[in-house]
Amino acid sequence: SQKIEQNSEALNIQEGKTATLTCNYTNYSPAYLQWYRQDPGRGPVFLLLIRENEKEKRKERLKVTFDTTLKQSLFHITASQPADSATYLCALDPSNSGNTPLVFGKGTRLSVIA
Amino acid sequence: GAVVSQHPSRVICKSGTSVKIECRSLDFQATTMFWYRQFPKQSLMLMATSNEGSKATYEQGVEKDKFLINHASLTLSTLTVTSAHPEDSSFYICSARPNGIPEAFFGQGTRLTVV
Repeated sequence: SQKIEQNSEALNIQEGKTATLTCNYTNYSPAYLQWYRQDPGRGPVFLLLIRENEKEKRKERLKVTFDTTLKQSLFHITASQPADSATYLCALDPSNSGNTPLVFGKGTRLSVIA
Repeated sequence: GAVVSQHPSRVICKSGTSVKIECRSLDFQATTMFWYRQFPKQSLMLMATSNEGSKATYEQGVEKDKFLINHASLTLSTLTVTSAHPEDSSFYICSARPNGIPEAFFGQGTRLTVV
């Protein structure tokens, strides 16, 4: 069956450290993977997209990798801050068409402790 | 980025009444919009795909007569929860993807409480 999994439901780290979140998928062949941030009581906000031919993508303190062999994406936040505390969701487009809804992982709730 | 606006952000209604939630794409046209439901500490669950000018496509297990979706224009989709019951209390979120753009843009969400 098709699955997209974020193995850690919650992750606590110390301020200043690097947070690493994992997203694995099964029986999909995504052309790209996306990461979103969701704060409590709010809709998700798009952060980064990485395509299958890209190994790594960066945006400020965020870094995403995509390994199509391992069927895995890693999401890193360097020099983490308490304001980074949120739920982070990975998502993929099962049809790669842009017309179908994205499939989301369950999310990892990150808490950055000062 | 594109903007999706959802209204209201919070609503409390009595059991048995109906509630309408609006989702608007403010700066792009959306032939398709998506409605999700989210319970506390759970992921987004797709309820239905709203198609402009045609019937919505509902996910398995979602009652189409209870969750009425109307996509009357290229910038507006509405979700009406009919004869609401306490078990319908949840966080409802809409999203849309502009043509040619792979990322999704979400509304602010609507917290529905049925008492």
